[in-house]
Amino acid sequence: EVQLVESGGGLVQPGRSLKFSCAASGFTFSDYAMAWVRQAPKKGLEWVATIIYDGSSTYYRDSVKGRFTISRDNAKSTLYLQMDSLRSEDTATYYCARHRGISYVMDAWGQGASVTVSS
Amino acid sequence: DTVLTQSPALAVSLGQRVTISCRASKSVSTYMHWYQQKSGQQPKLLIYSASNLESGVPSRFSGSGSGTDFTLTIDPVEADDIANYYCQQSNELPFTFGSGTKLEIK
Repeated sequence: EVQLVESGGGLVQPGRSLKFSCAASGFTFSDYAMAWVRQAPKKGLEWVATIIYDGSSTYYRDSVKGRFTISRDNAKSTLYLQMDSLRSEDTATYYCARHRGISYVMDAWGQGASVTVSS
Repeated sequence: DTVLTQSPALAVSLGQRVTISCRASKSVSTYMHWYQQKSGQQPKLLIYSASNLESGVPSRFSGSGSGTDFTLTIDPVEADDIANYYCQQSNELPFTFGSGTKLEIK
């Protein structure tokens, strides 16, 4: 069974940093591109970043470029999202998701982890 | 960016057919996917590449469309289908989602 388990959320002040982890199991992690998707309270889904299977390429939405870093450790089957210079508008539940195939559909999702950016 | 437009909400009677629409601001070919999100849960993939039913998803869900106009159909609607439904395109970066359609039961 495919499982994605996020961790690392919490309350953080504006301008500070936080790092999410996503532990993957039930599939060969190193075969898949992975993504982070967020959802602000009572709002819709928003793609944040994608990393290809070997970590050699990464992609970000404009609003997080230069502040967020997506990375992976294939030996540990773990995906990361380092978030720096956090803003109140980054407050959200963050989901890790698995991309499948050339369509990059997101076919498996974690349960989500939340960050609140507030002073 | 490719903007995806969905109706905010739909009300339908149990056992009836419902069609949820998604219109893209530019062609996304068939790189359109549909997700269901129930309250307090993570999204779940229903349909990929416009018309392909994800494994394990009931056959009362179906998808169609190409280019800029897409639909998700549920027939018949069951009580368990109360959820928000999102379309998402992966034709180009940034990947974008529609704002979601809330399905309500009459």
